[in-house]
Amino acid sequence: SAVISQKPSRDICQRGTSLTIQCQVDSQVTMMFWYRQQPGQSLTLIATANQGSEATYESGFVIDKFPISRPNLTFSTLTVSNMSPEDSSIYLCSVVDQGRGTGELFFGEGSRLTVL
Amino acid sequence: KQEVTQIPAALSVPEGENLVLNCSFTDSAIYNLQWFRQDPGKGLTSLLLIQSSQREQTSGRLNASLDKSSGRSTLYIAASQPGDSATYLCAVPTDSWGKLQFGAGTQVVVTP
Repeated sequence: SAVISQKPSRDICQRGTSLTIQCQVDSQVTMMFWYRQQPGQSLTLIATANQGSEATYESGFVIDKFPISRPNLTFSTLTVSNMSPEDSSIYLCSVVDQGRGTGELFFGEGSRLTVL
Repeated sequence: KQEVTQIPAALSVPEGENLVLNCSFTDSAIYNLQWFRQDPGKGLTSLLLIQSSQREQTSGRLNASLDKSSGRSTLYIAASQPGDSATYLCAVPTDSWGKLQFGAGTQVVVTP
């Protein structure tokens, strides 16, 4: 299975600032996915990040708020812009194990953001 | 739109008992179903993936069954241990790989 590393693991941020989360995978993958988990809630997909093209955002999420970069096949970043307390969540990076062809999804350890 | 429901929302059992976690989904045309474990404040660990053509999948003390026609999956954990305490999530792909619809999870506490 893919090994996914995220940085930071947690952070406390001030309202109005922006924070960039990094995701590094130990193998080349076509698609990377960013999810959000708000306190007490289940996971919601933010966007799909493809190398060489703009990210595809889900309904309710926009590029100005959550810009995503995907410079190569092993790395992606998610920025949470102009943060408010409502952005306090765990943000998770995930990839599909393409080698097995099963569609199994693997997740990083998550980045826990608290916005004051 | 696919909806995923998990019952019960919370479960507390004494050590050694078997755990039974339920997951239901509204659209039976699924490609696969995946079970995850999440420890508090952490990411997700993939436990089992069942392909749509399979009826069950096993890994150690874990066994997951799938009944597509009735839109149900069940995760069995045998001889529970305090280390099994976590939230268990099930999820199915929506329109493509990686785009999962998650249930709300079952929070499990195993008491010594």
